[in-house]
Amino acid sequence: AQSVAQPEDQVNVAEGNPLTVKCTYSVSGNPYLFWYVQYPNRGLQFLLKYITGDNLVKGSYGFEAEFNKSQTSFHLKKPSALVSDSALYFCAVYSSASKIIFGSGTRLSIRP
Amino acid sequence: GAGVSQSPSNKVTEKGKDVELRCDPISGHTALYWYRQSLGQGLEFLIYFQGNSAPDKSGLPSDRFSAERTGGSVSTLTIQRTQQEDSAVYLCASSLGLVSTEAFFGQGTRLTVV
Repeated sequence: AQSVAQPEDQVNVAEGNPLTVKCTYSVSGNPYLFWYVQYPNRGLQFLLKYITGDNLVKGSYGFEAEFNKSQTSFHLKKPSALVSDSALYFCAVYSSASKIIFGSGTRLSIRP
Repeated sequence: GAGVSQSPSNKVTEKGKDVELRCDPISGHTALYWYRQSLGQGLEFLIYFQGNSAPDKSGLPSDRFSAERTGGSVSTLTIQRTQQEDSAVYLCASSLGLVSTEAFFGQGTRLTVV
């Protein structure tokens, strides 16, 4: 069965430092991977996706993610964190049944 | 419309009452999803509609939960005989139904059972 794991409940980073939010997946066949962000009291917003092609994908707000097939990972990264990046981040994968499976979420906290 | 619309935005109901939550997807989106999120936690899959296919109901937690999608557009999630553990934010999303396309989420309905 398809699944996605986010091993960290919370990530704390100082403003200006690089950040990484981890995600690993388990799928049969080609993986279709997504990152979403949920700001406080707001709905989920799409950040970026990997479908095929270049392993480094770029998305909104300066975020990028690296697809690593051998490690079955799709970590979210940003070179320089902003306080406004503080939010709840979800990794997701399309299952073989075409429904979207979400990870448990990682709360990112950026301190000034 | 411009985005996924959910109504009501907030609902407070007494334990044992039935509630209906509505979702208007983006026009032209064939796929529609319902998820539940408790206290800012993860997203629990409930049900998935794709075109005219039979819905995937594998995530519905009990037979008190049901959903329908009329005319391939608007969807209603019904919870019968609500319990306090049903309190959560119910999120609806729609997409073009292709694995390469992202889903767009509504703002959610915050359900409180008292």
